[in-house]
Amino acid sequence: NAGVTQTPKFQVLKTGQSMTLQCAQDMNHNSMYWYRQDPGMGLRLIYYSASEGTTDKGEVPNGYNVSRLNKREFSLRLESAAPSQTSVYFCASRQNRDWVNQPQHFGDGTRLSIL
Amino acid sequence: AQKITQTQPGMFVQEKEAVTLDCTYDTSDPSYGLFWYKQPSSGEMIFLIYQGSYDQQNATEGRYSLNFQKARKSANLVISASQLGDSAMYFCAMREGLRDSSYKLIFGSGTRLLVRP
Repeated sequence: NAGVTQTPKFQVLKTGQSMTLQCAQDMNHNSMYWYRQDPGMGLRLIYYSASEGTTDKGEVPNGYNVSRLNKREFSLRLESAAPSQTSVYFCASRQNRDWVNQPQHFGDGTRLSIL
Repeated sequence: AQKITQTQPGMFVQEKEAVTLDCTYDTSDPSYGLFWYKQPSSGEMIFLIYQGSYDQQNATEGRYSLNFQKARKSANLVISASQLGDSAMYFCAMREGLRDSSYKLIFGSGTRLLVRP
């Protein structure tokens, strides 16, 4: 019962380095999401993908790019990491159905520190 | 613009007692949904309960219930018979709109609950 799998779980980068966070789900969900969680704050949406082949900006997209590689995988890329991007990153997925109460299922998070 | 407010940064409750975690929201959309998630110290996000704006009854899920007061725009989480394992961060979140393609969640800042033995 893997659900949503994020890799890596921890990463330390230097300012200016690039990195791709990987996310895969095995629930055949249509929608996938990337959030960041900063200390004392709730999750903020970075990008999302309502279906394979589409991506849209969320609340805080600057400094990030995403790729919906296929239905299972949704990656988040930091092209030139900045200390302000130090955060915990969560990937989530959800099945698109007529019922509005389908919750998002979250991965365990990636703790990213940028020095 | 939609907004979620959780005014209690931290709360204590005695084991076996009930506790209410507050959540107020602001939206101009008549169609919306409210979710509660639990985040233990291990960090994962666990879905607890959902309330739709058109639901006639308050949602319940085991020891969790939602005190939904639409006119006051509040959706408070009630945990009955608290257990030590309930110690965690709790987030209220709202989705706006019924169209599935617009499904995005806005999260509150969370309430940290500590259950005392």
